[in-house]
Amino acid sequence: GAVVSQHPSRVICKSGTSVKIECRSLDFQATTMFWYRQFPKKSLMLMATSNEGSKATYEQGVEKDKFLINHASLTLSTLTVTSAHPEDSSFYICSARDHRSIQFFGPGTRLTVL
Amino acid sequence: TQLLEQSPQFLSIQEGENLTVYCNSSSVFSSLQWYRQEPGEGPVLLVTVVTGGEVKKLKRLTFQFGDARKDSSLHITAAQPGDTGLYLCGGTIAQKLVFGQGTRLTINP
Repeated sequence: GAVVSQHPSRVICKSGTSVKIECRSLDFQATTMFWYRQFPKKSLMLMATSNEGSKATYEQGVEKDKFLINHASLTLSTLTVTSAHPEDSSFYICSARDHRSIQFFGPGTRLTVL
Repeated sequence: TQLLEQSPQFLSIQEGENLTVYCNSSSVFSSLQWYRQEPGEGPVLLVTVVTGGEVKKLKRLTFQFGDARKDSSLHITAAQPGDTGLYLCGGTIAQKLVFGQGTRLTINP
């Protein structure tokens, strides 16, 4: 299957700082990537759809100014959590959709805000 | 409101037993995927079903897509401890993949 990477895998930051998470499709191009959030022992919740060359589409209840998404190339999308607070601590997972419309997921990023 | 209802959400059985996980919705999906997720990792795709009534087999796992493309099931035969994990069904609707609540499966030796 296709490979999607995320960096960093873990990050710990102080409250009030911003954190950037990268999502890369390594062996295919993805015009569309997705960002999910997962709470402990829960399923994945779709946050936003990242479209190459255009603005991201956010799901209801997700603050676009809080979670900045940039999809500057066909293989890279970034999620920046701005002014992070402890309640933003979570497992963030990205996925990339290939030409067959199959989504492949990254390994996730564990964010801990102190 | 959950678009996809997955059941059961927790299941603990003995090695060798059979089990079925269900994924139901009132919406029609263009495709449905089943994933398995290990703790601290991203979901790994197991199968994609596209055609109503489709049945796919992956060793001891059998996946079925409902005729109306609103529901799906995952059946595991002779479960093994290595099958332990979180199983997620995801449906594609309006070009977005949304997930059910997940089924946390534990197979006891």
